[in-house]
Amino acid sequence: KAGVTQTPRYLIKTRGQQVTLSCSPISGHRSVSWYQQTPGQGLQFLFEYFSETQRNKGNFPGRFSGRQFSNSRSEMNVSTLELGDSALYLCASSLGSGGAGEQFFGPGTRLTVL
Amino acid sequence: GENVEQHPSTLSVQEGDSAVIKCTYSDSASNYFPWYKQELGKGPQLIIDIRSNVGEKKDQRIAVTLNKTAKHFSLHITETQPEDSAVYFCAATRSGGGADGLTFGKGTHLIIQP
Repeated sequence: KAGVTQTPRYLIKTRGQQVTLSCSPISGHRSVSWYQQTPGQGLQFLFEYFSETQRNKGNFPGRFSGRQFSNSRSEMNVSTLELGDSALYLCASSLGSGGAGEQFFGPGTRLTVL
Repeated sequence: GENVEQHPSTLSVQEGDSAVIKCTYSDSASNYFPWYKQELGKGPQLIIDIRSNVGEKKDQRIAVTLNKTAKHFSLHITETQPEDSAVYFCAATRSGGGADGLTFGKGTHLIIQP
């Protein structure tokens, strides 16, 4: 069974731009969660989508948004990029919602904001 | 919200020795505690998890113990090998509706000395 895939793997943007990241979960998994990983703050929960609905949201500004499609693929969007948004963005898929099952992570998208 | 503390931040052990990483959590409602291993350039990989109705779980050289009263859990790796070198993260969450995603510790860089 194929794992979680994320595209692109690397991205360079400038301040003020917006960016869209994509995540394809493991086949059969309906939940996709997004996390931001930085050296200073570690791994932080952004939001979770299940059956095309946002179920939970972490403590991030409204510039961070996402959506999920009927095939469970998910996209994350960051608008008006700031230097502090430079991070590794990870998505994780699981069968159920709300932490009910194991979460499996993709390799991440490395975003650099200049 | 949940807060997870992880110690030590760096752990160096001789190949063949045991390694122990400890975490404490703050939310008594947390009931799912996974451990992840992250190698350079990769996403976190689930290596073992434990739920609050169990005190200990073992999988070959890896074991996790949970003390609900003290709100702490630990990862034990025996007979360490060079391929165990990585960053290890503990996490905690409440499964079921309303969960806020995984809350991670800051990570432990495990170094296996040959």
